[in-house]
Amino acid sequence: DQQVKQNSPSLSVQEGRISILNCDYTNSMFDYFLWYKKYPAEGPTFLISISSIKDKNEDGRFTVFLNKSAKHLSLHIVPSQPGDSAVYFCAAPRGGGNTPLVFGKGTRLSVIA
Amino acid sequence: DGGITQSPKYLFRKEGQNVTLSCEQNLNHDAMYWYRQDPGQGLRLIYYSQIVNDFQKGDIAEGYSVSREKKESFPLTVTSAQKNPTAFYLCASSTGGPGLAGNEQFFGPGTRLTVL
Repeated sequence: DQQVKQNSPSLSVQEGRISILNCDYTNSMFDYFLWYKKYPAEGPTFLISISSIKDKNEDGRFTVFLNKSAKHLSLHIVPSQPGDSAVYFCAAPRGGGNTPLVFGKGTRLSVIA
Repeated sequence: DGGITQSPKYLFRKEGQNVTLSCEQNLNHDAMYWYRQDPGQGLRLIYYSQIVNDFQKGDIAEGYSVSREKKESFPLTVTSAQKNPTAFYLCASSTGGPGLAGNEQFFGPGTRLTVL
């Protein structure tokens, strides 16, 4: 049973435009969400997170929005740059609190110059 | 510099052989994790350890074993019982401490294992 779903395997965006990556979850007990960025043959790197008590968190070009009623979160990248081309994973602590993360399958973002 | 190291970067194994993947961290983190990534798949949890001398099975532990004798080290052994061992293996650590920031995991560079 996939508790964190990223339904778009890939996304292509022109440089300078907005990239929107989506993530849905099924477990209403999730209290924290994280986004990771991964380049090929490298480990993921932490990008941004959001607590379930917030509906928005912003860090430079990256903003994560959380809609608890819809069990949906999205990562916005504005403006998109070629270096943003990577696979993005959405994750959440599987048991809430401080428990191992469960990851979505990822979305491959390609930013075209 | 603090971080997580995994060795080797690439590993080849003959079918039927056991192989051990190394993971070391100098971040003073209590919790450590092993994940496996296959093409088109997310990261799947193999084993995790929240404290020295203790570890728990993750979602796909069959055919794998681990040990946690030291805080800094969490080696993963891929045994001959693992039916599809060819994959990219990632080690991670986190503080495991209180508060939501304790969930943030830091990843190593990964080891690509190929079974010949």
